[in-house]
Amino acid sequence: GDSVTQMEGPVTLSEEACLTINCTYTATGYPSLFWYVQYPGEGLQLLLKATKADDKGSNKGFEATYRKETTSFHLEKGSVQVSDSAVYFCALSDYGGSQGNLIFGKGTKLSVKP
Amino acid sequence: NAGVTQTPKFQVLKTGQSMTLQCAQDMNHEYMSWYRQDPGMGLRLIHYSVGAGITDQGEVPNGYNVSRSTTEDFPLRLLSAAPSQTSVYFCASSQKYGGMGTEAFFGQGTRLTVV
Repeated sequence: GDSVTQMEGPVTLSEEACLTINCTYTATGYPSLFWYVQYPGEGLQLLLKATKADDKGSNKGFEATYRKETTSFHLEKGSVQVSDSAVYFCALSDYGGSQGNLIFGKGTKLSVKP
Repeated sequence: NAGVTQTPKFQVLKTGQSMTLQCAQDMNHEYMSWYRQDPGMGLRLIHYSVGAGITDQGEVPNGYNVSRSTTEDFPLRLLSAAPSQTSVYFCASSQKYGGMGTEAFFGQGTRLTVV
């Protein structure tokens, strides 16, 4: 079945450091890929998405590129801030495989120190 | 625009008790779902609905019931709570079932403890 594997955390960085959170996927069809963010005590909210190969999603300085050849969707940011501290989830939606349901990775907790 | 509203935010139950977690959305979304979030496990799908009157099981449906009598509401029922159901529960909705790139909107969660 469909699955998402993302880098285990927690990840601790200093402010202005570079961030990469790895995400790879397995899907039977042509999935859409998402990154969701969960701030402490809150629900998940969409950070960015990509719907086809080579698409780049971007938002709030974060970027991720849909790489079909490596089945990857790594999250990157050039300079993190304390306010980026949160849990990040990679997810896919595959109409053919998961019937459109979101399949999540286990989440990566990011802590940014001033 | 309230989005997805879950109640209650916190709940403590005794083993064997029943309760209903409420979820309502005001975006006229067709698709609604319930997830549970456990440490180190990410989010796992419990049940979902593609429209009023239609529900189906997700990855971890045992011990939970759902119904969808209206587009707006999608309650989750625990018939006989067990400690293994201690978790944070999230309700989500989206505009289109299986739509490519469709964004899911999440409620703020219900933290349930079963003692």
